[in-house]
Amino acid sequence: GENVEQHPSTLSVQEGDSAVIKCTYSDSASNYFPWYKQELGKRPQLIIDIRSNVGEKKDQRIAVTLNKTAKHFSLHITETQPEDSAVYFCVSGGLYGNKLVFGAGTILRVKS
Amino acid sequence: DAGVIQSPRHEVTEMGQEVTLRCKPISGHDYLFWYRQTMMRGLELLIYFNNNVPIDDSGMPEDRFSAKMPNASFSTLKIQPSEPRDSAVYFCASSLDRLAGGLWGIGELFFGEGSRLTVL
Repeated sequence: GENVEQHPSTLSVQEGDSAVIKCTYSDSASNYFPWYKQELGKRPQLIIDIRSNVGEKKDQRIAVTLNKTAKHFSLHITETQPEDSAVYFCVSGGLYGNKLVFGAGTILRVKS
Repeated sequence: DAGVIQSPRHEVTEMGQEVTLRCKPISGHDYLFWYRQTMMRGLELLIYFNNNVPIDDSGMPEDRFSAKMPNASFSTLKIQPSEPRDSAVYFCASSLDRLAGGLWGIGELFFGEGSRLTVL
């Protein structure tokens, strides 16, 4: 089955710096790559997603890139703020009917 | 819509007792998922349903766990008998089948607030 590896497991940055989280997946049929943010004690929530027919997508301070050949996708957060502190999960999903597989998560701490 | 509703929010029980967790998905959603979250194992998919039919239950730990979806607006996850290692936060999520860029696929997962289970 699909395997998703996520790095790093923890990441500390200074407020205003950028943060990058990287994921690799194993199933070449995967075509949907969402990212979820989970604040402490809260539920995971979708922050951005990308499909395999797109190489990059941006939404304000957040961007995702996808390299299907290398089976890599990454989350980039610019101008980090304390409220960005949370656990971030990358996810790999397949075609109709396929389940979504979560990475292990990255704990992001933004120090002010 | 009020979102995905889970109950109970917290449950403390003793080993050997039966536990039933409940979920009401967002009206009109086609998919329902049960996830378990622990520090050690992260977010694990236990089972998911499409149009009330179980599609993949390969994540269900063992026979002590069972899940049902008798109708489109209700699902249960039952643990019988419960063990201390079942202690975790159990999330229910629902999703809408959608057409995007020419491909069908599971859309955004909308999670409930979770049920925190502690088995003593």
